[in-house]
Amino acid sequence: DAGVIQSPRHEVTEMGQEVTLRCKPISGHDYLFWYRQTMMRGLELLIYFNNNVPIDDSGMPEDRFSAKMPNASFSTLKIQPSEPRDSAVYFCASSLRGLWTYEQYFGPGTRLTVT
Amino acid sequence: ILNVEQSPQSLHVQEGDSTNFTCSFPSSNFYALHWYRWETAKSPEALFVMTLNGDEKKKGRISATLNTKEGYSYLYIKGSQPEDSATYLCASLGGGADGLTFGKGTHLIIQP
Repeated sequence: DAGVIQSPRHEVTEMGQEVTLRCKPISGHDYLFWYRQTMMRGLELLIYFNNNVPIDDSGMPEDRFSAKMPNASFSTLKIQPSEPRDSAVYFCASSLRGLWTYEQYFGPGTRLTVT
Repeated sequence: ILNVEQSPQSLHVQEGDSTNFTCSFPSSNFYALHWYRWETAKSPEALFVMTLNGDEKKKGRISATLNTKEGYSYLYIKGSQPEDSATYLCASLGGGADGLTFGKGTHLIIQP
């Protein structure tokens, strides 16, 4: 298996622009998670899906952030409009089942820089 | 807010020595504890998921224990090797939190 795939690996954009991050989970995994990694706050859960349905988005920082999972093999995290404080590494992870009692497999991350 | 604390923040160990570090978490409503290994420029890789008090897990030279009543987990590395150099993250679910809360990690450097 190719593992969790994320694109792009690096994104540099100007403040105010829309940014879309993409994720392909491991085939057969029921859960998909989006995380944000910053120096100040470490790794934070933003939102997670079960069978393509968003279950908990309480970690999404503001209305500028939105996430979708139109099918079992694809999810997007969108920031509109982007701000410099959104600069971080965004990870997508997937898990086979059982939510928190199964290990999560992380993608390589997207490093976002907003200037 | 669930506080997951890891100590020490960083650790330098001579190759061949054994070492251990700690993850502390609120013990109320505990559900699960995860350990991940995170090498620079890579993504976190799962080591263990633990749910039962007194649980011990082992993978090669790495092992972990769990005490849910007092709210801590230890990660042990026996006979450290240079390839063990990484940041080790723990994450806990419990205390009413809606998802995994990660600690800031222990940055381990193995010196040849």
